[in-house]
Amino acid sequence: EPEVTQTPSHQVTQMGQEVILRCVPISNHLYFYWYRQILGQKVEFLVSFYNNEISEKSEIFDDQFSVERPDGSNFTLKIRSTKLEDSAMYFCASSSDTEAFFGQGTRLTVV
Amino acid sequence: QQPVQSPQAVILREGEDAVINCSSSKALYSVHWYRQKHGEAPVFLMILLKGGEQKGHEKISASFNEKKQQSSLYLTASQLSYSGTYFCGTECGRQADGLTFGKGTHLIIQP
Repeated sequence: EPEVTQTPSHQVTQMGQEVILRCVPISNHLYFYWYRQILGQKVEFLVSFYNNEISEKSEIFDDQFSVERPDGSNFTLKIRSTKLEDSAMYFCASSSDTEAFFGQGTRLTVV
Repeated sequence: QQPVQSPQAVILREGEDAVINCSSSKALYSVHWYRQKHGEAPVFLMILLKGGEQKGHEKISASFNEKKQQSSLYLTASQLSYSGTYFCGTECGRQADGLTFGKGTHLIIQP
C-alpha cells in the first residue's frame, strides 16, 4: 500500500541551526501539506503546496520556514535558525482529491 | 478558527459506545476524522462533505449537520484497538487550504 515517507524520524539540533525535513508523498497525489504537533497538543496546519507553489500558509509559517519540491518526488520543509519552541513532531501529508494521508512524522528536538 | 471537540476525554469499558462531537463557528465544506495513537501519525478514518451525510466504517460512523456546522463520530461496541486521540479536521474552502484540527478527544478503552 502506498504511503507517505518522512526522513529522518528524529533529529536533534542546536538552537540557531538550520534543519531540512524531507518527505516523499504518495506518487500520484497533487496536494502536499506540512503540519506540526507540539507534544501533547493538537495538530497544527503549517502550509499547503499545489501545482509547484505554496497554496496556503498559516500564521505559524513565517519567514523562518520555507518549502520546496526540488525534484518530482521529494517535498522538503526548511526551518532556518531554529528556536527551542520549534521542537515538535512535523508531519507531512499528501492527498489526491479527498482524504489526506500522513507520514509517520519527524520528531525535531531543538536544544 | 479551530473547531471545538467534546468531550476532552472518555474512558470506556470494552463493548461500550461513545460519541465524539466537533463543532465550528464557520461554514464548513467538509469534516475529516482521524485517530492518532501515542507516538504515531494521525490515521484517516473518514471524510464527510457538506450535504448532511452520514458515513460508516465497520463500527465507526459519523454524521455531518451542515446547518449546525457540527459533526459527530459514533463508536459502537468499542474495542481495545479504538483507544487513541480522535481529531476532527475541518475544511472551509479549497482542499489546498489544509485542515484545521480540533484539540482532540482522548479515548481510553479498558478491558
